[in-house]
Amino acid sequence: QVQLQESGPGLVKPSQTLSLTCTVSGGSISSGGYYWSWIRQHPGKGLEWIGYIYYSGTTYYNPSLKSRITISVDTSKNQFSLKLSSVTAADTAVYYCARAVSGSYPLYYYYMDVWGKGTTVTVSS
Amino acid sequence: QSVLTQPPSASGTPGQRVTISCSGSSSNIGSNYVYWYQQLPGTAPKLLIYRNNQRPSGVPDRFSGSKSGTSASLAISGLRSEDEADYYCATWDDSLRGVVFGGGTKLTVL
Repeated sequence: QVQLQESGPGLVKPSQTLSLTCTVSGGSISSGGYYWSWIRQHPGKGLEWIGYIYYSGTTYYNPSLKSRITISVDTSKNQFSLKLSSVTAADTAVYYCARAVSGSYPLYYYYMDVWGKGTTVTVSS
Repeated sequence: QSVLTQPPSASGTPGQRVTISCSGSSSNIGSNYVYWYQQLPGTAPKLLIYRNNQRPSGVPDRFSGSKSGTSASLAISGLRSEDEADYYCATWDDSLRGVVFGGGTKLTVL
């Protein structure tokens, strides 16, 4: 079965760029059909959807974060990545990568069916 | 402030039936499917219900979802101690053009 694992620095300085990678095992990103997503959870708070990438490179970002986000995919490594620029303390959170299912019949649907365990990122000097 | 409104807490005794509500608007719940996620303490969220009322393989039929207008509900029957977790509703919002979540409901099994 598909498993996802986040990796990256646990501490990032303010104004710098947060970079995380999600490694997918048990399935191939390039086989298509799924949308590889990022979600975060601020300490003690709810969930915030960040965006997704398709194996072809097509991306869709949360409009509220769009100016600072870049999601990319490396199908040769079966990985996808998140970059969040100009971070502040407000970006401190647990970051999850997830596989999402999406389609449009009979109604548009998009939901995360497999999640990674999450990685904690703290923004502090 | 979350786009979808959930009660912050709910509780029940073992064997009881509890429901968790999720309120939205015409641009989100009113025109899209609703999803529910369960987050056990210290773990990642897990998909519990998709497309309003469908259960992924492995999710007990004690869990059920429903939607009416701009609101949705998650019902848990035969409550068990292992159901103690945070529950989040989610959907797509046509106006915000993205996935929106409820603030989460902490379920306590007394």
